Amino acid sequence: DTEVTQTPKHLVMGMTNKKSLKCEQHMGHRAMYWYKQKAKKPPELMFVYSYEKLSINESVPSRFSPECPNSSLLNLHLHALQPEDSALYLCASSQDIDRGFSYNEQFFGPGTRLTVL
Amino acid sequence: GENVEQHPSTLSVQEGDSAVIKCTYSDSASNYFPWYKQELGKGPQLIIDIRSNVGEKKDQRIAVTLNKTAKHFSLHITETQPEDSAVYFCAASGYSSASKIIFGSGTRLSIRP
Repeated sequence: DTEVTQTPKHLVMGMTNKKSLKCEQHMGHRAMYWYKQKAKKPPELMFVYSYEKLSINESVPSRFSPECPNSSLLNLHLHALQPEDSALYLCASSQDIDRGFSYNEQFFGPGTRLTVL
Repeated sequence: GENVEQHPSTLSVQEGDSAVIKCTYSDSASNYFPWYKQELGKGPQLIIDIRSNVGEKKDQRIAVTLNKTAKHFSLHITETQPEDSAVYFCAASGYSSASKIIFGSGTRLSIRP
């Protein structure tokens, strides 16, 4: 299984709602990532988890709260979002990080298209 | 930090012709250069990558070249087909921050029938 899955595919939420995005991989990868991608732009890194511990937070606002319950699952909890947070949220995984060349390959999921009203 | 520039932003080629996308990077410590293809409504898909100890790599119709001295790398697609139409991103990362991939701004490639 070489796939990263994300649910839901689409999400519409109001600014007072609380919702969660889910990501799953069964490749035995120990690093998982959240990216945000606006239309016609490249993905922007938000968070990196390594061995279920938060490794990198790219100064993301606290209304985005990541969680890694186990090595296969990654969640992104959303609360009090703004309309400008509307974007495609991508999850990715890699075998490991900071271990040299072989471990840098990141595999992306299809994304969750989020709309904040 | 690393900065990756990508050109052109849009590219239209006749089916069967070749397409070339060029990228430059700023950090000489970068040592890994992946290329991603993103189709409409999908996440980026790794199509080919190259390490800094290699100058060229080919996989069927796709090839990537790397010039470490000039700090630029290029994607070459030969015998283009309609299914090659997509947005292509180059990227770079270094050993010291292997988890952080810095993406170029993307190239929208259209294949004319």
